[in-house]
Formats: sequence, C-alpha cells, structure tokens
Amino acid sequence: DAGVTQSPTHLIKTRGQQVTLRCSPKSGHDTVSWYQQALGQGPQFIFQYYEEEERQRGNFPDRFSGHQFPNYSSELNVNALLLGDSALYLCASSRWGYEQYFGPGTRLTVT
Amino acid sequence: AQSVTQLDSQVPVFEEAPVELRCNYSSSVSVYLFWYVQYPNQGLQLLLKYLSGSTLVKGINGFEAEFNKSQTSFHLRKPSVHISDTAEYFCAVSDPYGGSQGNLIFGKGTKLSVKP
Repeated sequence: DAGVTQSPTHLIKTRGQQVTLRCSPKSGHDTVSWYQQALGQGPQFIFQYYEEEERQRGNFPDRFSGHQFPNYSSELNVNALLLGDSALYLCASSRWGYEQYFGPGTRLTVT
Repeated sequence: AQSVTQLDSQVPVFEEAPVELRCNYSSSVSVYLFWYVQYPNQGLQLLLKYLSGSTLVKGINGFEAEFNKSQTSFHLRKPSVHISDTAEYFCAVSDPYGGSQGNLIFGKGTKLSVKP
C-alpha cells in the first residue's frame, strides 16, 4: 500500500512566478492538509481539504490556494512567489477525524 | 491561539542512555497531542498520540509520553536510545474541529543526536 506521495521532489522557481505542487493521499484517506516547513522550523499549517472544500485555513495570504479532486488528491498553488516562500512543503492525509500521515515533501527554492 | 514550546533545540546523548524531550503547550482546554519524528530529507512519521484516556501513551520504537494536564506538558521519553534514533522530533497539538485532527500546531523541534 503506497503511502502519501508528493510531486515534484524538488523544484527551483524565480521570484514572481507561480508554482503547483501535487499530493496523492494514502489509500482510504479522504482528507488532505498542507504544511510549510521553513529551514530550522516546525511545519506551519496552510489549509485542509475535505470533500473538495477548504475546511480550515492557517495564517497564509491568498497567494496560497488549493484544490482537492474527486479522487481525493490535492494541489497547492502559490502565486507571485517570494524568496520567503522557499521551504519544504508537506502534504498530510487522513481519514476525517483521524491522525495525519505525512508525505516526503517537496523542496521549493525561490531565487 | 495555541502554541507549542519545545524547551531544548538540541539534545546530545550517548547510546543506551535514557532521554527525555520536553514539550509544553499553551492551552488548558481539551486538545489532542502528538509526537512526530523527522529523519534527514524525509517527511514526518507519527511516533505516538494522546487523544483521551490514560495519560501514559506508548508509541513506536520504544518511545512513550506522559500527558500532564496541570502542567500542560507532554514530554517524550525513551529508556535506552540507539544510534538510529538520531533525528529531529516535533511535538504538536491540535484543536479538535468538527471531529477533525487537522490544523496541527508544531513546536520548533528538538534535534536528538545519539553518540556511540
């Protein structure tokens, strides 16, 4: 049984560009959450999707948006990239109401 | 708003020695508590969780944690560490929301370094 998968593994973007990160949840999971982990910090909650709707949102600007598809996979989009958006982006999946399982992350570098 | 404080940023310890990683959280209302481990260049793996019931929680790899409501603490312990336990450990809390365990709030992490 595959766990949570994320793509791509790494990517490099330029300031002002847009980026899309993808996440496939663990089999049987219907909820996806996204976190940003800056270097040397703990992960910070961005938002959570369930039944294709954003259910909770952390303290992130509107440049961060997401989507959940009928097969429960999810995308995280970041517009107008800033240098400060460089981080490891973690996706976590769960069954609604149960503990979260994390993917390996996507390392985003903004130059 | 909830916050999590991990009191030690780095903990060096010799192999086979006991270790305690400390975690305090800010709110005294009902919360869920978690410990995750992160190995280099990897995602987070759940070690253990406290949702309710017994205050002593046992997890994977021989780790355990004790929930102390009066001190708002959830310290992680292992009686004898191995080299392979070298990793970064994160304490997290979540406010139950509509039954979800989402919106995990993490501490800044403790780097455990086990020396031979």
